[in-house]
Amino acid sequence: AQSVAQPEDQVNVAEGNPLTVKCTYSVSGNPYLFWYVQYPNRGLQFLLKYITGDNLVKGSYGFEAEFNKSQTSFHLKKPSALVSDSALYFCAVRDMISNFGNEKLTFGTGTRLTIIP
Amino acid sequence: KAGVTQTPRYLIKTRGQQVTLSCSPISGHRSVSWYQQTPGQGLQFLFEYFSETQRNKGNFPGRFSGRQFSNSRSEMNVSTLELGDSALYLCASSLLPATGTSTDTQYFGPGTRLTVL
Repeated sequence: AQSVAQPEDQVNVAEGNPLTVKCTYSVSGNPYLFWYVQYPNRGLQFLLKYITGDNLVKGSYGFEAEFNKSQTSFHLKKPSALVSDSALYFCAVRDMISNFGNEKLTFGTGTRLTIIP
Repeated sequence: KAGVTQTPRYLIKTRGQQVTLSCSPISGHRSVSWYQQTPGQGLQFLFEYFSETQRNKGNFPGRFSGRQFSNSRSEMNVSTLELGDSALYLCASSLLPATGTSTDTQYFGPGTRLTVL
């Protein structure tokens, strides 16, 4: 079965500093990985995804994520944090080699990112 | 292009009642998935519809049901509401099926906040 873990419930970063939100995954085959962000009283907004190819994926709002197969990780990063980046971030995974029709997107529990002015 | 829309945005019901939530996908998208988001359980997959057919279903009781119309709009119904059904219900649409081996991205609506008293 596929799974995804976000080991930190809360991450605090000073404005202007680099930020990292961690995500590790477990799949049987090759992973298909997403990051989504959720602002208060809003749905999830797509940030970026990894399917195959370059391990560094660039996404919306200056975010990027690095796929590391040996460490089964897909950490979200941004070089310089903004106060407006404060939100709830979700990592999600789908196993690309699975019983057809059974696989679905599995979400992590979310990490609340707070950028301190 | 308009995003995913969900109606109503907020709903208050009492135990034992039934409720119907509506989701209109992005124009041209044929897949609609439903998720339940709660503080304790996080994001949990309910079901997916593609071309009016249910493709996949999560581990929810039969009180939770859905359907999709020929214009791809989807409705989700919960009968005999329980206090534990209080949650944010999110709808997501994609061009191709969200389950299976598709690499397509799901785009989420703002959600319907259901409170059961």
